[in-house]
Amino acid sequence: QSALTQPASASGSPGQSITISCTGTSSDVGAYNFVSWYQQHPGKAPKLMIYDVSNRPSGVSNRFSGSKSGNTASLTISGLQAEDEADYYCSSYTSSITWVFGGGTKLTVL
Amino acid sequence: QVQLVQSGAEVKNPGASVKISCKGSGYTFTSNSLHWVRQAPGQRLEWMGWINPVSGDTKYSQKLQGRVSITRETSTSTAYMELSSLTFEDAAVYYCARRVRGNYHFDFWGQGTLVTVSS
Repeated sequence: QSALTQPASASGSPGQSITISCTGTSSDVGAYNFVSWYQQHPGKAPKLMIYDVSNRPSGVSNRFSGSKSGNTASLTISGLQAEDEADYYCSSYTSSITWVFGGGTKLTVL
Repeated sequence: QVQLVQSGAEVKNPGASVKISCKGSGYTFTSNSLHWVRQAPGQRLEWMGWINPVSGDTKYSQKLQGRVSITRETSTSTAYMELSSLTFEDAAVYYCARRVRGNYHFDFWGQGTLVTVSS
C-alpha cells in the first residue's frame, strides 16, 4: 500500500487560510468517506483534527475543516494562528481492511 | 478519561526482537480496537496493524507481515506489539492508538515508545 500523497510543506501568514491536499486512489480515499486528519507537534503524539472527511471532534476549533472530491481529500485551516504550526497527516481506510497515512505536510506560520 | 500508556524506551541489537505494551484505561478495553503506528526519525506515520481485543483477530500491513505480532491481555486491558528480526530501518517511535468500533479513525493515542536499533 503506497502512502497517500501530500505536499511536503505549506505556509501562510497569521489570519490567512491554507489548504492541504491528500491524494489517494480508488481503493482508499476515493472508495470511502473515511479520511481523517492528524496534527502533530514536534515530539508529541498525533492528535485527531478531522474524521470521516469533514467532521470535527469535540474540542477542535471550527477553523479546521475538511472536504473530499474523488480521490483527493483536503484540510483547510482558516484564520491561521501561530499554534497551528505543526505537521499534518491524512489517513484513509482502504479496501484491504488496512489503513494508510499520507507523507505529511509541514505547516509554517510566517 | 481515556488513556493509553505505553512501556518505556528500548535499545536493541540488529536481529533481535522488541515487545512494547500499551495499557488502556478510562474506557471499556474490549469495546474498541487497538492499532499500532510507527514513525521513523523525520519520517511519516506508518500504519502497522491492529487487533480486535474481543476475538484476538489481527490484521497487519503487507510490509511487516511475518515480522510483527499484536496480542492482547484483556484481564489487564493491555495490548502488545512484537517486532522481530530488527534492522536499523526499524528504529522509530512506536505508537498505539484506539479506534472505536464502527469508526475508522484513531481518537486517542499513546505517548509513544522510542526503539533504538544499535550494534
